[in-house]
Amino acid sequence: DQQVKQNSPSLSVQEGRISILNCDYTNSMFDYFLWYKKYPAEGPTFLISISSIKDKNEDGRFTVFLNKSAKHLSLHIVPSQPGDSAVYFCAAKHRNDYKLSFGAGTTVTVRA
Amino acid sequence: GAGVSQTPSNKVTEKGKYVELRCDPISGHTALYWYRQSLGQGPEFLIYFQGTGAADDSGLPNDRFFAVRPEGSVSTLKIQRTERGDSAVYLCASRGGGSSYNEQFFGPGTRLTVL
Repeated sequence: DQQVKQNSPSLSVQEGRISILNCDYTNSMFDYFLWYKKYPAEGPTFLISISSIKDKNEDGRFTVFLNKSAKHLSLHIVPSQPGDSAVYFCAAKHRNDYKLSFGAGTTVTVRA
Repeated sequence: GAGVSQTPSNKVTEKGKYVELRCDPISGHTALYWYRQSLGQGPEFLIYFQGTGAADDSGLPNDRFFAVRPEGSVSTLKIQRTERGDSAVYLCASRGGGSSYNEQFFGPGTRLTVL
């Protein structure tokens, strides 16, 4: 069963605008969430993370928001740049182990 | 380089053959993971090593899959009697300590194609 879901397979945004990527999860035992970015023919690269005890984490142009009651997190990229065009994966870690459960990914295309 | 490396980058084999995929983690990282990514999906967990031992192999799909990490560094994923359904990108990740204790760092993957 898919415990981490990214329901939007793709997102197109104009350069300079905000990109908002969404992720939902079903397991209330997840205690840490991560976003990874992946270019073609490369492995996923860690982008930003958030602990379940927080509701926001910001790093430069990237901000992750966590809504535990809704089991929902989002990644905001402001402003979007052409180099942000990639596949973005949401991942979650269970409190009792270290393996990650991934969503199916959202392909972001930033238009010039 | 200081990142996770995987060899080969591409492997084409015939159904029924045996393959080995290698992973070199970041130096000093004691935790090592294997994931498999099929087209259009996110990575799926296969096995996790802490040091030399497999701490969790619950993601291995069947007994044709096996992985080792004899010296606590390099790991090899072994697939016997390959099937066409084994075709995927096999990703290796390692994890260290300190402030990045929960973060896994991935290699570029090995694309396995079973004909």
